[in-house]
Amino acid sequence: AQKVTQAQTEISVVEKEDVTLDCVYETRDTTYYLFWYKQPPSGELVFLIRRNSFDEQNEISGRYSWNFQKSTSSFNFTITASQVVDSAVYFCALSEYMLTGGGNKLTFGTGTQLKVEL
Amino acid sequence: DAGVIQSPRHEVTEMGQEVTLRCKPISGHNSLFWYRQTMMRGLELLIYFNNNVPIDDSGMPEDRFSAKMPNASFSTLKIQPSEPRDSAVYFCATLATLRYNEQFFGPGTRLTVL
Repeated sequence: AQKVTQAQTEISVVEKEDVTLDCVYETRDTTYYLFWYKQPPSGELVFLIRRNSFDEQNEISGRYSWNFQKSTSSFNFTITASQVVDSAVYFCALSEYMLTGGGNKLTFGTGTQLKVEL
Repeated sequence: DAGVIQSPRHEVTEMGQEVTLRCKPISGHNSLFWYRQTMMRGLELLIYFNNNVPIDDSGMPEDRFSAKMPNASFSTLKIQPSEPRDSAVYFCATLATLRYNEQFFGPGTRLTVL
């Protein structure tokens, strides 16, 4: 069975600090996708990034960067120079391709609550 | 594109009443997922449709829950009779199989059962 572990329940930082959110996953699939979603206080789930299992290149998007390491089954997310608007719950998710019927089923971690204070 | 549309956004009902949640997927997306989010259990997948056909309903808590997708542009999640422990935020998410792998989520319906 697939599993996603976000060991950090809550992180508090001061604005402009860098912060890394950890994600460790378990799967027996050789082909899979990893995702990060953001859930701000307003409640919606916002897609941030998708990474497939064959692409271990790190990715940077503005202040966001992601480090994917298959050797440690980790897909960590770093926010550089954090801002108050980054305060949200961040979810890591792992997809499982449904052989029957197609499509992808997501397994979510429990989320990390990030609080960025002035 | 309007994104995934869910209605109502908020629902308050009394125990024993029937509740119907609605979802309109993004046009062209052929997979649809219903999730429930609670503090205790986090995000749980309830049921998943592909091309309007229910593929995996193993997450549906019990017989009081049912879901339908009569056509490609509409799905419902019904709870009958509702109980206080059903209080949660219910999300609908969709994706276009073989084109994208990320699921796009609706804004959610916050259900409170008194």
